[in-house]
Amino acid sequence: KQEVTQIPAALSVPEGENLVLNCSFTDSAIYNLQWFRQDPGKGLTSLLLIQSSQREQTSGRLNASLDKSSGRSTLYIAASQPGDSATYLCAVPMEYGNKLVFGAGTILRVKS
Amino acid sequence: DAGVTQSPTHLIKTRGQQVTLRCSPKSGHDTVSWYQQALGQGPQFIFQYYEEEERQRGNFPDRFSGHQFPNYSSELNVNALLLGDSALYLCASSLDGYEQYFGPGTRLTVT
Repeated sequence: KQEVTQIPAALSVPEGENLVLNCSFTDSAIYNLQWFRQDPGKGLTSLLLIQSSQREQTSGRLNASLDKSSGRSTLYIAASQPGDSATYLCAVPMEYGNKLVFGAGTILRVKS
Repeated sequence: DAGVTQSPTHLIKTRGQQVTLRCSPKSGHDTVSWYQQALGQGPQFIFQYYEEEERQRGNFPDRFSGHQFPNYSSELNVNALLLGDSALYLCASSLDGYEQYFGPGTRLTVT
């Protein structure tokens, strides 16, 4: 059974800091890994999708890495801004087209 | 290009009642998945529909049922509502299960 863990559960940083969010999964036989952002009471916005054959993906100030063999992924946010405040979730499907298994998320607060 | 839409946005029901939630997938998508998200937790998979049939199901009781229509839109039905069914219900669409795009969710409160 796939289990996804995210550390830390919550993070508060001053504006401008670079930060790293961590995601670990127990079964390395994943097809890809997605990072999502969720604002309070809202739906999920896809940030980055990394294929199992890739090591990292970048979008603007965001960079996600994937190490399948160790069962870990990190989301790096550069020069954080108050608008980055949200919950960040990682999720993995076990197979193509399969259900997503989510972590509980990291609640990020960026203080101005 | 409209993304995934869900209706209603919010609703309040009483224990024992039945509820139907609706989802329209992103244009060009043929697969719809439903998730339940309790407060402070990650979404939990309920089921997935493809070609009008339930393709996968998570660990949810039979009180949770669904349907997919020929235009790929979908409904989630929950019977005999319990207080514990209060949650944010998320619909996600994809093209045959590839990258999933989520809707804004329906907030269900059971009193």
